[in-house]
Amino acid sequence: QVQLVESGGGVVQPGGSLRLSCAASEFSFSTYAMHWVRQAPGRGLEWMAVISFQGTNKYYAESVEGRFTISRDNSKNTLYLQMNSLRPEDTAVYYCGRDWGKHGSGPLDVWGQGTTVTVSS
Amino acid sequence: DIQMTQSPSTLSASVGDRVTITCRASQRVGDWLAWYQQTPGKAPKVLIYKASSLQNGVPSRFSGSGSGTEFTLTISSLQPDDFATYYCQQYNSYPWAFGQGTKVEIK
Repeated sequence: QVQLVESGGGVVQPGGSLRLSCAASEFSFSTYAMHWVRQAPGRGLEWMAVISFQGTNKYYAESVEGRFTISRDNSKNTLYLQMNSLRPEDTAVYYCGRDWGKHGSGPLDVWGQGTTVTVSS
Repeated sequence: DIQMTQSPSTLSASVGDRVTITCRASQRVGDWLAWYQQTPGKAPKVLIYKASSLQNGVPSRFSGSGSGTEFTLTISSLQPDDFATYYCQQYNSYPWAFGQGTKVEIK
C-alpha cells in the first residue's frame, strides 16, 4: 500500500548535523509535493518545510530557515531533510508527509511513522 | 504569519456525546482548512479537508464547517476510537500553521 518510511533519526550534540530520509513506495512519488512536520515531546505539530514535485520550489518555517534544507531524489523515490546547527529545541519526532498536489497546495493525506531526533550533550 | 487557535485545549466527554471543537485563524484562510486526528504514538490522519469535505474512509459522524477565520469540527456521536487529539491546519499560505491541538478525553 501507499507508504512513507522515515529513517536517519538519532542522538546528536548541539551544533551537530543529521540527515533524515523518507522513502516512498506504491505511488508516483515524482508527481507530489512533499513536506516535513515535527512534534516535540508532549507538544503539538509544527510544519517545517515543503518541496514541490520537481524540487523547484521550497519553503521553510522561520524556526529552521537557513539551518535545514529539504531536497528530493525522484529517481530514488526519496525525500531528505538535512539538519545543521542543531539545537536542543529541535528535539522532536520528524514526520514526512505527502501533499495532495504537485506544488504544495495541501493538505497532507499520507504520513510516515516518524523518526526521533534528540539534540543533547 | 497566520496563527491558528483551537478551543478548548482539553475536552472530557462520554461515548455517544456530540462534541464540537473550534479553530480560529488570525487572518482569513478561505476554506483552506484541514482537520487531523492523532492517537498516542501514531502519525496524524486527515479527517476533513477544504473546511467541510470528508476524507475518503472517514466515518460520517465527523463533519467540518466554517470559512474565513472561524471553523468547527463536530463529532456527532463520540465512539471509543475517537478519544484522541485533534488539530486544525491552514494551508491557504506558507508558512502552514497547525492549531495547538484539542485532546478529547474519556469523562
